[in-house]
Amino acid sequence: AQSVAQPEDQVNVAEGNPLTVKCTYSVSGNPYLFWYVQYPNRGLQFLLKYITGDNLVKGSYGFEAEFNKSQTSFHLKKPSALVSDSALYFCAVGGDNFNKFYFGSGTKLNVKP
Amino acid sequence: DADVTQTPRNRITKTGKRIMLECSQTKGHDRMYWYRQDPGLGLRLIYYSFDVKDINKGEISDGYSVSRQAQAKFSLSLESAIPNQTALYFCATSGLTGTGGDSHEQYFGPGTRLTVT
Repeated sequence: AQSVAQPEDQVNVAEGNPLTVKCTYSVSGNPYLFWYVQYPNRGLQFLLKYITGDNLVKGSYGFEAEFNKSQTSFHLKKPSALVSDSALYFCAVGGDNFNKFYFGSGTKLNVKP
Repeated sequence: DADVTQTPRNRITKTGKRIMLECSQTKGHDRMYWYRQDPGLGLRLIYYSFDVKDINKGEISDGYSVSRQAQAKFSLSLESAIPNQTALYFCATSGLTGTGGDSHEQYFGPGTRLTVT
């Protein structure tokens, strides 16, 4: 069975500081991992994905994520946070040849000026 | 978001009423999904469809039904709405495009906020 855990309901960071939003996963086969962002009153937007290849994946808006197989983690990172990065972030794992996706509970990122 | 549209955007209805939420997409994707979002629970899959003739139940299909009228249209119905179906509902697409490429990630509509009183 596939599942995703986001252990932090909320992450607070000062503008200009690095940020990390944590995600761990459990899959029965190869992990296909995704990050999405949701701004208020909007649908989810795709940020980045890991399917295969390099463990460090770069995505939209300067975000990146590192796939760590031994720790079954896929943490989202950004070297320098912006106030405009404040949003709700979801980690997801794809299963069954991408026919189904399983989402974490979401982490609210607050970036303070 | 403009590639995946949902109607209505907001709806208030009474317990026992039948309601339909509609989703249309112009991305040419073969796969479509319905999710509900509740605070602290993330997104939970209600139904998903691989093509017009292939519809599958998700984690929480009880109390819901769907119709895939065309490749581009996927509707969600609440046969008899109840208050615990109050939530934010999202439609999403992914999969093979008309040109043969494969989008692994999902594209979401703007959501429908449904309140059942």
